Amino acid sequence: DADVTQTPRNRITKTGKRIMLECSQTKGHDRMYWYRQDPGLGLQLIYYSFDVKDINKGEISDGYSVSRQAQAKFSLSLESAIPNQTALYFCATSPWNSGEQFFGPGTRLTVL
Amino acid sequence: AQTVTQSQPEMSVQEAETVTLSCTYDTSENNYYLFWYKQPPSRQMILVIRQEAYKQQNATENRFSVNFQKAAKSFSLKISDSQLGDTAMYFCAFMKHDNAGGTSYGKLTFGQGTILTVHP
Repeated sequence: DADVTQTPRNRITKTGKRIMLECSQTKGHDRMYWYRQDPGLGLQLIYYSFDVKDINKGEISDGYSVSRQAQAKFSLSLESAIPNQTALYFCATSPWNSGEQFFGPGTRLTVL
Repeated sequence: AQTVTQSQPEMSVQEAETVTLSCTYDTSENNYYLFWYKQPPSRQMILVIRQEAYKQQNATENRFSVNFQKAAKSFSLKISDSQLGDTAMYFCAFMKHDNAGGTSYGKLTFGQGTILTVHP
């Protein structure tokens, strides 16, 4: 079984809809992250959480919100999706004492 | 703020040959990590190699090695004996390393990526 899972893997939605992307991990890591990847660009950090009670904005948090329901679960929400939020979204985890991040398989989101 | 630049949008190499991917970065920090990640067509992000800035010795992982030039802020990836399975997008990434465990620790800044194609 994968250590970091994301659901759904693909999603097509319409402008104005609320969307939630979910991330779960079995690695026991405290730190979790949400990134966005646009074509031709590297990944950009949306939000990150260093423990259940700690949520921080990343570089491009506008239009997004997150919820850390438990150590193992970190969800990303788009309250009112817009077409320029069409992208590949990655969740990642890391232990507190290491720089290495472990990525989920990604969610491809298309907003029409 | 840190920036990471990969100046080669695309590269190609013949199978079994050697290829080098370039990466430069800009930072005022002294303690940091540098990474190369691979993203094959499956889109999974896979860590290839990492380098801690305080270590002078270049990191090596099997066919993958880096040339880390701290003063020049350069971090290139060399792939030896290229294989078809090396075909992927490669990302260089920077992470500030705060020994005190501050909030800046753990945030990755990525370059734009280099698409590498290995030809048979």
